[in-house]
Amino acid sequence: DTGVSQDPRHKITKRGQNVTFRCDPISEHNRLYWYRQTLGQGPEFLTYFQNEAQLEKSRLLSDRFSAERPKGSFSTLEIQRTEQGDSAMYLCASSPTFSGGNTIYFGEGSWLTVV
Amino acid sequence: EDQVTQSPEALRLQEGESSSLNCSYTVSGLRGLFWYRQDPGKGPEFLFTLYSAGEEKEKERLKATLTKKESFLHITAPKPEDSATYLCAVQAPGGGNKLTFGTGTQLKVEL
Repeated sequence: DTGVSQDPRHKITKRGQNVTFRCDPISEHNRLYWYRQTLGQGPEFLTYFQNEAQLEKSRLLSDRFSAERPKGSFSTLEIQRTEQGDSAMYLCASSPTFSGGNTIYFGEGSWLTVV
Repeated sequence: EDQVTQSPEALRLQEGESSSLNCSYTVSGLRGLFWYRQDPGKGPEFLFTLYSAGEEKEKERLKATLTKKESFLHITAPKPEDSATYLCAVQAPGGGNKLTFGTGTQLKVEL
């Protein structure tokens, strides 16, 4: 399978705990995105990387959220001191640079439930 | 700010009953309009990209069209396996090609 891979697929955590999600993009894609989706809503943009550089962060990304892509390959999204409002599906996506097309491909998502 | 509005929110069809889903958008310079299919509990699956008004794309029972203000996803003779949420998104220049999504149309096709 050469698609976008996310791990874990599901995570249940207690309020106040930290959680980390991992994303492995499609191998030749140098842009990587994180989105958040709640029930009945479309995905909302959180942040994106071009190679290892984080180039944009949404207002939705509070100080408790941090994303990294240390070697321009896989990425992690960490949520510190989780709150019930953080419960959502966290989607990772990747795309090539413009010369390779601008379609964004999504992974299967990581479901977070904060209890 | 880019905005995408999808209608209807939900649609129930009988197998074989053709219909259309609507996506209205406001964007500063459209780079692309995307349609995705999303099954429950899964990530969005790419269907089409449309780049300019008048463009049409087809895949099996689905056909996407684009005008300057809206896009339509036409479903011809749908089958139960077409049941899913269909998401529309716009891409504007800059910002790393990020997408702004609508809330989707939940389609159910019954036998």
